[in-house]
Amino acid sequence: EIVMTQSPATLSVSPGEGATLFCRASQSVSTNLAWYQQKPGQAPRLLIYGASTRATGIPARFSGSGSGTEFILTISSLQSEDFSVYYCQQYNNWPPWTFGQGTKVEIK
Amino acid sequence: QVQLVQSGAEVKKPGSSVKVSCKASGGTFTKYTINWVRQAPGQGLEWLGRINPTFGRTKYAQKFQDRLTIFVDDSTNTTYMELSSLKSDDTAIYYCAREVFWLDPWGQGTVVTVSS
Repeated sequence: EIVMTQSPATLSVSPGEGATLFCRASQSVSTNLAWYQQKPGQAPRLLIYGASTRATGIPARFSGSGSGTEFILTISSLQSEDFSVYYCQQYNNWPPWTFGQGTKVEIK
Repeated sequence: QVQLVQSGAEVKKPGSSVKVSCKASGGTFTKYTINWVRQAPGQGLEWLGRINPTFGRTKYAQKFQDRLTIFVDDSTNTTYMELSSLKSDDTAIYYCAREVFWLDPWGQGTVVTVSS
């Protein structure tokens, strides 16, 4: 089973600032990695797939990069609606599909 | 646009079973593999299993292998997740999600509470 590790667990950011979230896989997943945003009381929403492709309707301030075992989600100029929990997920090796434990982006 | 609508909240006793439904609309259902993921209170996401409706093939996470069943009713475009021998730590929100390699979209979630 591939273990996904996200860091940091919590990120405190002021509105308008940028945020950088990290995701590491225990073995290579190529670019078969997705990022999801989850707001309180809501289902996760797809942000990024293929490590760097934004899903339909996702603003350009969200960008993903990386391949192999190291991945980054960058949010430039955080808006109020961006303060959420973010999860990475690998879909390279299954079963099981595996998720990171999440990074909470909170208002500083 | 594919939408997934799940059944309502459930409260179950330990040792019983729960069945949660996930109805797809707005797409050609038979083309989509549906996954089930759960989230315990205050915790992260845990993959349970998946079904390919076209071939009826299922795959389950090893820890649920002996008490999880996922199946499809083609006539109603609905997939079901049934978890048996419930324990208190099965209390969680259960989500269905369409697999397009990644998971998108997700259902709204079904709260399952296991309590005596």
